[in-house]
Amino acid sequence: DADVTQTPRNRITKTGKRIMLECSQTKGHDRMYWYRQDPGLGLRLIYYSFDVKDINKGEISDGYSVSRQAQAKFSLSLESAIPNQTALYFCATSDLTSGNEQFFGPGTRLTVL
Amino acid sequence: AQSVAQPEDQVNVAEGNPLTVKCTYSVSGNPYLFWYVQYPNRGLQFLLKYITGDNLVKGSYGFEAEFNKSQTSFHLKKPSALVSDSALYFCAVRGYTGGFKTIFGAGTRLFVKA
Repeated sequence: DADVTQTPRNRITKTGKRIMLECSQTKGHDRMYWYRQDPGLGLRLIYYSFDVKDINKGEISDGYSVSRQAQAKFSLSLESAIPNQTALYFCATSDLTSGNEQFFGPGTRLTVL
Repeated sequence: AQSVAQPEDQVNVAEGNPLTVKCTYSVSGNPYLFWYVQYPNRGLQFLLKYITGDNLVKGSYGFEAEFNKSQTSFHLKKPSALVSDSALYFCAVRGYTGGFKTIFGAGTRLFVKA
């Protein structure tokens, strides 16, 4: 969905490096989410935010941090990347008026060597 | 705790035949149920949802899903499959009293053969 953009789309990095993944949206939604996708595991929630001052941990937040810089921007950081953080990362947005369904960005493929 | 099960890793169907992708769920209270589709190198796209009302829900691309409360199921269906329907399908549930997190199933890969 072009309304939700993610940068970079692909990234290869080394163990121990700090990485930031960025998400921007033009949908005007209050709620933003970060997920990781691993084969056979579906999507797992890392962090979510209901507004600029609200940040919540998801089911797999260890090793990750987030920042909600503005209503439209939500970034995910890996402070010290490790190989098992190799995955496809998705940002998503939603709000109550959209009926609770989520709108996803195109994803960032991250490889940690 | 909320959970979603998609019992089939893969579903194979011939073009023109009906298709079903299965989903069962566990949640406290009344569920919000969703189906999403993921095409290669793309993010997930919303297909349809059930929140309340008619148990048969119609969505995008000719897909529909039937909510069955007694069987806690929300199977995705299409009367006549197309090769272009080949993709990864995810069922998701959000519990009415379970906070604001949506839980996704592991996904089912659909192959439609010409």
